Amino acid sequence: DQQVKQNSPSLSVQEGRISILNCDYTNSMFDYFLWYKKYPAEGPTFLISISSIKDKNEDGRFTVFLNKSAKHLSLHIVPSQPGDSAVYFCAALTRGTSYGKLTFGQGTILTVHP
Amino acid sequence: DGGITQSPKYLFRKEGQNVTLSCEQNLNHDAMYWYRQDPGQGLRLIYYSQIVNDFQKGDIAEGYSVSREKKESFPLTVTSAQKNPTAFYLCASSPTRGEKLFFGSGTQLSVL
Repeated sequence: DQQVKQNSPSLSVQEGRISILNCDYTNSMFDYFLWYKKYPAEGPTFLISISSIKDKNEDGRFTVFLNKSAKHLSLHIVPSQPGDSAVYFCAALTRGTSYGKLTFGQGTILTVHP
Repeated sequence: DGGITQSPKYLFRKEGQNVTLSCEQNLNHDAMYWYRQDPGQGLRLIYYSQIVNDFQKGDIAEGYSVSREKKESFPLTVTSAQKNPTAFYLCASSPTRGEKLFFGSGTQLSVL
């Protein structure tokens, strides 16, 4: 039972355009969500997070949106750059009961073309 | 330079052999974790430890063992009971009650 799903295995965008990566979850107990970026043969690096009490969090070119009623979150990258090409994982947890025990989606491979 | 060090980067296992993956952190984090990544899949939790001398099974602990004798170290042993060990193994750490994990650079384990 996959509690966090990233239904798009890959996404290809042109440099300078917007990249939108999507993530759905089924566990209504999740109250904190994170996005990680991963290059091949390296460990994931934290990108941005959002608490369930918010619906938007912004950090530079990266914005995460959370729609609790739809159990859906998305990561927007504007403008996209070739260096953004990587695998992006969304992850979720329930604070108070599972600190650090992140549940990850399958990942989306983002390719940004020059 | 604070961080998490995993070694070796690449490891090969023969049939029936146990192998141990090293993970060391100097971030002074209490909690440490082991995740496994398979192609096309997300990261899955193998074991985690929130304090020295204590650890719990994650979602896929069968065929693995760990120890946590020091705060800085959390080695993972892949035993011969793990029938499909080929994967990319990631160690992570976090402060107590921290939401964000910090990951090492990973170990690729392959079976000969």
